[in-house]
Amino acid sequence: AQKVTQAQTEISVVEKEDVTLDCVYETRDTTYYLFWYKQPPSGELVFLIRRNSFDEQNEISGRYSWNFQKSTSSFNFTITASQVVDSAVYFCALSGVGSSNTGKLIFGQGTTLQVKP
Amino acid sequence: EPEVTQTPSHQVTQMGQEVILRCVPISNHLYFYWYRQILGQKVEFLVSFYNNEISEKSEIFDDQFSVERPDGSNFTLKIRSTKLEDSAMYFCASRRDRGQEKLFFGSGTQLSVL
Repeated sequence: AQKVTQAQTEISVVEKEDVTLDCVYETRDTTYYLFWYKQPPSGELVFLIRRNSFDEQNEISGRYSWNFQKSTSSFNFTITASQVVDSAVYFCALSGVGSSNTGKLIFGQGTTLQVKP
Repeated sequence: EPEVTQTPSHQVTQMGQEVILRCVPISNHLYFYWYRQILGQKVEFLVSFYNNEISEKSEIFDDQFSVERPDGSNFTLKIRSTKLEDSAMYFCASRRDRGQEKLFFGSGTQLSVL
């Protein structure tokens, strides 16, 4: 069975602090995709990143960076120099690959990030 | 960037009533999905739809739920007899193919069952 765990329910930081959101996943698939989505207070789901399971290279996009470690089944997300606009719920998600998969996403519980000025 | 459009943004209904949530996926997409998010909880998969049939559904998607792509552009979710616990945000999503980079989500329909 596939499962995504985001153990941090809520995180509160002060603006300009760095913050890391943890994500641990379980899957029997040998190939899979991992995602991060942001859900701001307005409610929509905003795509941030997709990572393929056979690409363990870490990725940086501006203030965002992702650390994928297959050995520990983790796909953590770091925001550097956080800003108030980063306040949102962040979801990690997992998707299978291959002919037997429909491409559905399995979401974690989400981490609510509050960035205070 | 192309968008998935959902209407209405907010729907209020009485318990026991039928409700239809509407979505217009991105035009060249082939895979369609409905997800649900109960207030304060995670986003849950309901159903996937490809080639005019359901390809996968979750335990939540029981006989009260149905999906349809009636005219090649709309993708609808029908709840036949709504219950209080159906109150949630319902997200429609689509992707061009299974391997496409991301799932495009609509902005959601907030369903309130009274």
